[in-house]
Amino acid sequence: NAGVTQTPKFRVLKTGQSMTLLCAQDMNHEYMYWYRQDPGMGLRLIHYSVGEGTTAKGEVPDGYNVSRLKKQNFLLGLESAAPSQTSVYFCASSPQGIASGQFFGPGTRLTVL
Amino acid sequence: KNEVEQSPQNLTAQEGEFITINCSYSVGISALHWLQQHPGGGIVSLFMLSSGKKKHGRLIATINIQEKHSSLHITASHPRDSAVYICAVRYSGGGADGLTFGKGTHLIIQP
Repeated sequence: NAGVTQTPKFRVLKTGQSMTLLCAQDMNHEYMYWYRQDPGMGLRLIHYSVGEGTTAKGEVPDGYNVSRLKKQNFLLGLESAAPSQTSVYFCASSPQGIASGQFFGPGTRLTVL
Repeated sequence: KNEVEQSPQNLTAQEGEFITINCSYSVGISALHWLQQHPGGGIVSLFMLSSGKKKHGRLIATINIQEKHSSLHITASHPRDSAVYICAVRYSGGGADGLTFGKGTHLIIQP
């Protein structure tokens, strides 16, 4: 099992460009999450999904969109990147939501110039 | 805003020492998680607990619901324990199905 994988690992964008981060899990988990991690701050929840076809907003959803068309994939989109979105993005999955442990991907380091 | 406070922020200790990292939170929770972030950036879930105590190898996590406080202990610390340890909670009362994270404790174990 690969667990949780994220694509790409690194990316540099110019302000205004768009991109999609892909998260994939092979554990048949229902719940998936996107977090961002910034220096001096704790991880913050961007969006999450409680099952295929569902998405919901987290703590810092502005500027991001998500889709969960397939159970194993959770996509995070930036339509018009801004320097404030420079961060490390982590995807996580969980079998039973916050009532169970979370499995994290390796992270994507995004720089917006 | 509900917050999670961790102490200390930074801790340097010698190999073999007993380590304690503390976490406090402000209101009722349904679950508390301890996570480990390796120097390379990867995050691993260590414990999830809602009461009492859990042990895994040299790691022990405890929680006191009344005092809104949790501790992570490492016995016989080793340089490979060097990492950032993160406390996160799920606050009771609904809302987004996500965790609120502390800023982490940066632990360095010297040989």
